Amino acid sequence: SQTIHQWPATLVQPVGSPLSLECTVEGTSNPNLYWYRQAAGRGLQLLFYSVGIGQISSEVPQNLSASRPQDRQFILSSKKLLLSDSGFYLCAWSGRGGSQPQHFGDGTRLSIL
Amino acid sequence: GQNIDQPTEMTATEGAIVQINCTYQTSGFNGLFWYQQHAGEAPTFLSYNVLDGLEEKGRFSSFLSRSKGYSYLLLKELQMKDSASYLCAAPATSGTYKYIFGTGTRLKVLA
Repeated sequence: SQTIHQWPATLVQPVGSPLSLECTVEGTSNPNLYWYRQAAGRGLQLLFYSVGIGQISSEVPQNLSASRPQDRQFILSSKKLLLSDSGFYLCAWSGRGGSQPQHFGDGTRLSIL
Repeated sequence: GQNIDQPTEMTATEGAIVQINCTYQTSGFNGLFWYQQHAGEAPTFLSYNVLDGLEEKGRFSSFLSRSKGYSYLLLKELQMKDSASYLCAAPATSGTYKYIFGTGTRLKVLA
């Protein structure tokens, strides 16, 4: 069966520090991969999605970036965090071909001080 | 434009039936999803509709009307553990891998 791992679960970082969140998927090949952010009490905001290694689509201009160095690995990064980057970050995967449900990792709760 | 609308909050009593509505506007149509999200946790997939009509899955059912751009999630025999947010989602355009989500309906089940 397929599983998705996302870490860390919680993170507290000072303003201006760098960020790296990692997500890996097991039990499937060539998945679509997604990064979302969810502010408290709000909906999911799509940040990035990827349909293959090295292929990243950015949805919202910001100081975040994403990379997909391997088929089942998706990384969210920042060189300098802002206060507004606080939130609940979720990685998700879906299968290829037609509409497929998304399966989410447990999320990372990021607080910027 | 592309948009998904859901009520913000609903309250219901344990053992009752509740219907959570969702209206959508997308460029083309390629199915509609429902997810459940408990407070502080990640969303989990509940159901998928691509054809008109009702899909039943245990206590949960989901209905779709493509001509009206409308879906609902029906929860029967409500339990306290059903207290959660319910998110409606759809591909932004037909054939895309980009999905748009509604802001979610927060359901509170009272004893």
